Amino acid sequence: GAVVSQHPSRVICKSGTSVKIECRSLDFQATTMFWYRQFPKKSLMLMATSNEGSKATYEQGVEKDKFLINHASLTLSTLTVTSAHPEDSSFYICSARKTKNREHQPQHFGDGTRLSIL
Amino acid sequence: KNQVEQSPQSLIILEGKNCTLQCNYTVSPFSNLRWYKQDTGRGPVSLTIMTFSENTKSNGRYTATLDADTKQSSLHITASQLSDSASYICVVSVGTGGSYIPTFGRGTSLIVHP
Repeated sequence: GAVVSQHPSRVICKSGTSVKIECRSLDFQATTMFWYRQFPKKSLMLMATSNEGSKATYEQGVEKDKFLINHASLTLSTLTVTSAHPEDSSFYICSARKTKNREHQPQHFGDGTRLSIL
Repeated sequence: KNQVEQSPQSLIILEGKNCTLQCNYTVSPFSNLRWYKQDTGRGPVSLTIMTFSENTKSNGRYTATLDADTKQSSLHITASQLSDSASYICVVSVGTGGSYIPTFGRGTSLIVHP
């Protein structure tokens, strides 16, 4: 159980395009979802935390107008990279947790989205 | 500043051998520590979780230890298999009360050769 599906797995698009990435919890309700970014050979960097029905909390240095997060239901969160540029090329990973603010509940990760901006 | 340092950065071993990965952290307040396995191009998968009071936790051939006094953890892999080739990430959860933020190490890249 506790499967998180992320779509698409890979996207290549032109500079200036907006890209939407979906993260779905398939067999559980995810009160909290996280979005991460990972550069090659680097650790995952938390971008934002979103609780269902409320605005996302962005980490310092992450532009909220650039990376739009919507967590409208308990099974779906979306990340939209607006007007993407080559420097936005990265591996984006989402994770979901069943309950809010319960530290021992594990995060279940999606398989990531490889975004390449030409 | 909360930090999680992992060593070695990369490791190559022969199939069947044992290995130990290290994780040192300087986070406060400490909540829990997890080890994840991340295959190339995939999301991380949780291997073990330990809270402050736990010293060791096993999951099959994986055994994690935690020394909360020295703020060190290790992940021991026994009788390695080719499928163990992956990045192993140490994640320390920081926080109390209503907010818990995970702090990720950079990972150790393990390659198991036949």
